[in-house]
Amino acid sequence: AQKITQTQPGMFVQEKEAVTLDCTYDTSDPSYGLFWYKQPSSGEMIFLIYQGSYDQQNATEGRYSLNFQKARKSANLVISASQLGDSAMYFCAMREGDSGGGADGLTFGKGTHLIIQP
Amino acid sequence: DTEVTQTPKHLVMGMTNKKSLKCEQHMGHRAMYWYKQKAKKPPELMFVYSYEKLSINESVPSRFSPECPNSSLLNLHLHALQPEDSALYLCASSQGVAGDSFTYEQYFGPGTRLTVT
Repeated sequence: AQKITQTQPGMFVQEKEAVTLDCTYDTSDPSYGLFWYKQPSSGEMIFLIYQGSYDQQNATEGRYSLNFQKARKSANLVISASQLGDSAMYFCAMREGDSGGGADGLTFGKGTHLIIQP
Repeated sequence: DTEVTQTPKHLVMGMTNKKSLKCEQHMGHRAMYWYKQKAKKPPELMFVYSYEKLSINESVPSRFSPECPNSSLLNLHLHALQPEDSALYLCASSQGVAGDSFTYEQYFGPGTRLTVT
C-alpha cells in the first residue's frame, strides 16, 4: 500500500492565486514527520516545509503553509499568492520514527506538477 | 550554509565502464543518503549512512557500491551498469541520526544525471 498519496498529477493555476496541493499519508507509527519538497526542471530537491506528528499548530514558512489534519491523515501544502517561479514538481514525503534509533530515508509521493500561468 | 554539492553534474558511461559519483556536505550532518530518481517518478532511497557506517541498503544491486570515507564525503561507485540504471542520482544529508531523526529535514544536492549507453 502506498504510504504517501498525491492525487493531483498536474495543476494549472493563475498567477497570484492561492493553490492547495493535496497529500494523504498512511502510517501506524505515532512519531513521524511530513515534508514538502519542490523540484524545478533543473532537478534539485528544495525543502519547503516540515510538520511533525506531535506539532499542535500548522507549520508556516513565508508563502507556504501546511494544512495538517491528523485524524484525516492529510498534510496539504498551501501556497499563497502564487508566482511564475513556483512552477515545478512538488513532492510530499514522510519519515517515520520507528527506525530502530537510526537515520531513515524519506518516502515520497508521486508528486504534483504545478504550472503557474500569467 | 545548507549546501550539498555533487559531482559530476552529468555522466555518460558505457556498460563496461567504472565510474564514481561524489557528494560533499559541510553542515556537520552525520546522516547521508543516496536516492535514485527515474524520469517523472519520485526519488527512491538506495542507501543510508549514519556516522559513516552503512545503516540501510534498500536491496540495491551490487553494481552500485557506496562508500563514506569521512563524515563530509559520500561516494557511489558504479560498475557494469545497465541502460535501465540511467537516472538522476541525488545525494542528501540530514542532522538527525537518533530516534528523533524523523524531525529533521534532508538537504539535497543538485544531482548527477547518469546515462548508461
